[in-house]
Amino acid sequence: QLQLQESGPGLVKPSLTLSLTCTVSGGSITRDHNWGWIRQVPGEGLEWIGSAYYSGNTYYSPSFKSRVTISMDTSNNHFSLSLSSVTAADTAVYYCARHPLVLISATGRGYDAFDVWGPGTLVTVSS
Amino acid sequence: SSELTQDPAVSVALGQTVRITCQGDSLRTYCASWYQQKPGQAPVLVILGENKRPSGIPDRFSGSNSGTTASLTITGAQAEDEAVYYCNSRDSSGYHYVFGGGTKVTVL
Repeated sequence: QLQLQESGPGLVKPSLTLSLTCTVSGGSITRDHNWGWIRQVPGEGLEWIGSAYYSGNTYYSPSFKSRVTISMDTSNNHFSLSLSSVTAADTAVYYCARHPLVLISATGRGYDAFDVWGPGTLVTVSS
Repeated sequence: SSELTQDPAVSVALGQTVRITCQGDSLRTYCASWYQQKPGQAPVLVILGENKRPSGIPDRFSGSNSGTTASLTITGAQAEDEAVYYCNSRDSSGYHYVFGGGTKVTVL
């Protein structure tokens, strides 16, 4: 059974770079899935940060595009998130998740979903 | 529009049926997926596509998509269904994802 696990510092100083790794176990990073990062500010909703494809292509939320990098390390079965110039507003639980390539439903709509999630890791931005 | 709109909260009597909706322009092109999140836990996928349930999700959970509205229905709500439910889909560009603000379901 595929499992994801986030790891990285739980405390980051303002203006520095937040770096997290998501390790995939019980399976491999495969070309028929994408791999993403989602965060949740305490007491608030879910926010997609960005995703990376097996090929290394990346897509980022416009809200983070200037500050975020997601990279894949398929040989070591993990992928990473880097978020620069952090402020207290970046204090959140960060989740990594897998999502398959988009499929087409019987009605012609596309669909996919974040089907496997890590447990999440709280990152606090504070001096 | 790249937004998905959900009602903030809804309540349902034990054993009754509750329907949660999610509205957004991108839902004309993409189905919503639905996630259940309990306090202190990661979200769990409960519905994807037109009405697909991942393994282990009870069949009291069902979904539908029509026009710019997606719905999650819990038929015969149980106490353990009390949680926040989020909808999610790609945005109209197809390259980005958006989440609704979440609906807190209280089982009375």
